[in-house]
Amino acid sequence: KQEVTQIPAALSVPEGENLVLNCSFTDSAIYNLQWFRQDPGKGLTSLLLIQSSQREQTSGRLNASLDKSSGRSTLYIAASQPGDSATYLCAVLYNAGNMLTFGGGTRLMVKP
Amino acid sequence: EAQVTQNPRYLITVTGKKLTVTCSQNMNHEYMSWYRQDPGLGLRQIYYSMNVEVTDKGDVPEGYKVSRKEKRNFPLILESPSPNQTSLYFCASSLRRSAEGNEQFFGPGTRLTVL
Repeated sequence: KQEVTQIPAALSVPEGENLVLNCSFTDSAIYNLQWFRQDPGKGLTSLLLIQSSQREQTSGRLNASLDKSSGRSTLYIAASQPGDSATYLCAVLYNAGNMLTFGGGTRLMVKP
Repeated sequence: EAQVTQNPRYLITVTGKKLTVTCSQNMNHEYMSWYRQDPGLGLRQIYYSMNVEVTDKGDVPEGYKVSRKEKRNFPLILESPSPNQTSLYFCASSLRRSAEGNEQFFGPGTRLTVL
């Protein structure tokens, strides 16, 4: 069964710092990987989708990479801001039921 | 605005009282699904639907029912809710999957408490 792990579970950084969130998965036969942001008590906002044939995707200050062979993805956030404070979730799609398997999330706090 | 909507957003009920959580999307998506989110367990899929009248179980379907009579709607039914179904519920949708899969969009969540 696919397992998705995110490290670290929590991260606190000063404003302006560049940071990397990590996601690893056990089964490399994935269709895609998606990064989400979740604010406390709120829904999931899709940030980036990386197809299995792609190596990276970029959106503004966010860059996500995918290395299927090693079962890893990273989310790079440049010049972090207090508004980036949230929980970041990665999820992989690997079965026919369109079911996403989620990691436990990284809770990010960016201090002014 | 393209979105997935859920109602109600918050619900407190008692054990055994049937309830329905509605989900609707306006993006003409074929795929819809329900997840629950619990502390320490993360997000887990309950049921999914590949199209109208096509539904199947996810990882944790026990105690839930779904129906897909229209493309835009995918209600989640709890026939006899129990306290262990207290959770945060999310509906999600995406286009019919291409060879590699499409981006999934999530609703705002429904916080359910069963007393």
